[in-house]
Amino acid sequence: AQSVTQPDIHITVSEGASLELRCNYSYGATPYLFWYVQSPGQGLQLLLKYFSGDTLVQGIKGFEAEFKRSQSSFNLRKPSVHWSDAAEYFCAVGPNAGNNRKLIWGLGTSLAVNP
Amino acid sequence: DTGVSQDPRHKITKRGQNVTFRCDPISEHNRLYWYRQTLGQGPEFLTYFQNEAQLEKSRLLSDRFSAERPKGSFSTLEIQRTEQGDSAMYLCASSSGTSGSTDTQYFGPGTRLTVL
Repeated sequence: AQSVTQPDIHITVSEGASLELRCNYSYGATPYLFWYVQSPGQGLQLLLKYFSGDTLVQGIKGFEAEFKRSQSSFNLRKPSVHWSDAAEYFCAVGPNAGNNRKLIWGLGTSLAVNP
Repeated sequence: DTGVSQDPRHKITKRGQNVTFRCDPISEHNRLYWYRQTLGQGPEFLTYFQNEAQLEKSRLLSDRFSAERPKGSFSTLEIQRTEQGDSAMYLCASSSGTSGSTDTQYFGPGTRLTVL
């Protein structure tokens, strides 16, 4: 079965600290991988994506993620968190072929940032 | 690009009423998706259009739900005889691409539905 697991429901970090949000997936083939961020009451904003090539991808707002095929993981990292990063973060996977690109989503990780 | 827009942003209705939501995708995006998101959950896929053709519907989409995308531009999602369990955020996304190509889904701000 296709699934995405984000093991951490809620994380609190101090401003300026480093951050790593975990994402593991179960999929029939190598999928496309995405991280989105959602602020309260807002839609989803794409942070970064992995389709192929370099397994370390850079995104917006200083985020990066690393695809590790052997671990079926796509963890999101940021070296220094800002208070404005407090939000809900979603990992999603989708097929790399076919017409329908519907995404399978994790339950999200809620990030709180202490001043 | 003006982004994906959705209307209304909020809708409060009484149980049993019909509601309709509209989504305007990024211009010239040929794919359009509807998702539903409840509190504390990730989005759940509802349905998908490529141009005007509705190619897939989730089993979550009961016969009270119908979606259209006339002329392959904007889309509407109608819920008939609303139930309290329909209360959720309804998200629309669009993407550009053809079979075999990579594409990225861009999301609108969502329509929050509250059924009393």
